[in-house]
Amino acid sequence: NAGVTQTPKFRVLKTGQSMTLLCAQDMNHEYMYWYRQDPGMGLRLIHYSVGEGTTAKGEVPDGYNVSRLKKQNFLLGLESAAPSQTSVYFCASSYYIRDSTVPSYNEQFFGPGTRLTVL
Amino acid sequence: DAKTTQPNSMESNEEEPVHLPCNHSTISGTDYIHWYRQLPSQGPEYVIHGLTSNVNNRMASLAIAEDRKSSTLILHRATLRDAAVYYCILRRYGGSQGNLIFGKGTKLSVKP
Repeated sequence: NAGVTQTPKFRVLKTGQSMTLLCAQDMNHEYMYWYRQDPGMGLRLIHYSVGEGTTAKGEVPDGYNVSRLKKQNFLLGLESAAPSQTSVYFCASSYYIRDSTVPSYNEQFFGPGTRLTVL
Repeated sequence: DAKTTQPNSMESNEEEPVHLPCNHSTISGTDYIHWYRQLPSQGPEYVIHGLTSNVNNRMASLAIAEDRKSSTLILHRATLRDAAVYYCILRRYGGSQGNLIFGKGTKLSVKP
């Protein structure tokens, strides 16, 4: 199992350019997430998905779009990159707890990150 | 989700135990206490979680106060590889899609 993988690992963009970050997981997880981490800060949730074909906004969604056309992939798009989007982006996935009557958790598995610089 | 408070940084010597504290005075009855850690230049990884009772796993132990307003992550013998930022996070059972809310965490340094 590769777990959660992210492509690319590094990228430099100019202001106004667009790009797509790809996240892939081979654990058959229902849930997938995109976070960003700025220097010295914790991670903040951008968007997430609870299943194929569904997405929802997180804490900091502005300037980003996402798509989940296949269960194993979660794409993060920047239509017009800005310097404020310079950050490290992490993708994560987790399984779905179907029996909501049982106290449980869903551990998130994180990818290695994509370091994005916008000039 | 309720807020957690952690020290910004801690130091430890290699092969000594480390106790990482976390305060969560506004915790509710259905909040689980989770710990993740982030090694340098890596994504976070799950460490341990608990609800009311103390928990042990191969990585660490979690000691939860009787009133649940605080908890302590215990690394029994710190190694250099344990140098990381440790995040204490509250997760409400049945809460929204498992979202994690990260604070700044505690940066643990381990001296040889």
